[in-house]
Amino acid sequence: DVKVTQSSRYLVKRTGEKVFLECVQDMDHENMFWYRQDPGLGLRLIYFSYDVKMKEKGDIPEGYSVSREKKERFSLILESASTNQTSMYLCASSYPGQGFGNQPQHFGDGTRLSIL
Amino acid sequence: GQQLNQSPQSMFIQEGEDVSMNCTSSSIFNTWLWYKQDPGEGPVLLIALYKAGELTSNGRLTAQFGTTRKDSFLNISASIPSDVGIYFCAGHLHFPSGGSNYKLTFGKGTLLTVNP
Repeated sequence: DVKVTQSSRYLVKRTGEKVFLECVQDMDHENMFWYRQDPGLGLRLIYFSYDVKMKEKGDIPEGYSVSREKKERFSLILESASTNQTSMYLCASSYPGQGFGNQPQHFGDGTRLSIL
Repeated sequence: GQQLNQSPQSMFIQEGEDVSMNCTSSSIFNTWLWYKQDPGEGPVLLIALYKAGELTSNGRLTAQFGTTRKDSFLNISASIPSDVGIYFCAGHLHFPSGGSNYKLTFGKGTLLTVNP
């Protein structure tokens, strides 16, 4: 089974802090993703990466950055945390699956982040 | 980003009843995926569909990829209390060039409550 592990289940930080969320997958997947999930808004893509050191902006990248130095690890960085970044953050990974037959994404258990 | 139209938003049923939910879009999809999310957890993949008309089962769950490639449904038969959770549809959009990309488009979820 695919295993996507997020470093923290719950995290509390203060406004203005630099926050790191870590995600590791054990299936040698090329693609990795960061989402945030808020009530009524569903899952929104923040950033994704299709290879080591490669990244692309998702739908809501403002206030976030990412790092992918190794294939198995994808980090989400809140440069200066703000209260509106309080949310559930989900990491996912998948094989490339170009064209028809794209491969499904597999999710971690999420990090519930509170910014005070 | 684009959203899928998922309905119903919520359902409250008695144990043993069958459940049906669906997703529709004005765009063509190459894959349809159904996920379940338990409270405080990440989404778990239930069923993946890759061909128009495909009907796939996973235990008491059955899902179909609509023949127009613009819709999908999920049925749960003989519901049990542990079926409680949020069910998401998701899919990879078809691009006019014939391909698609890594990103998933999500529905906003159906909250299922099962009364024992």
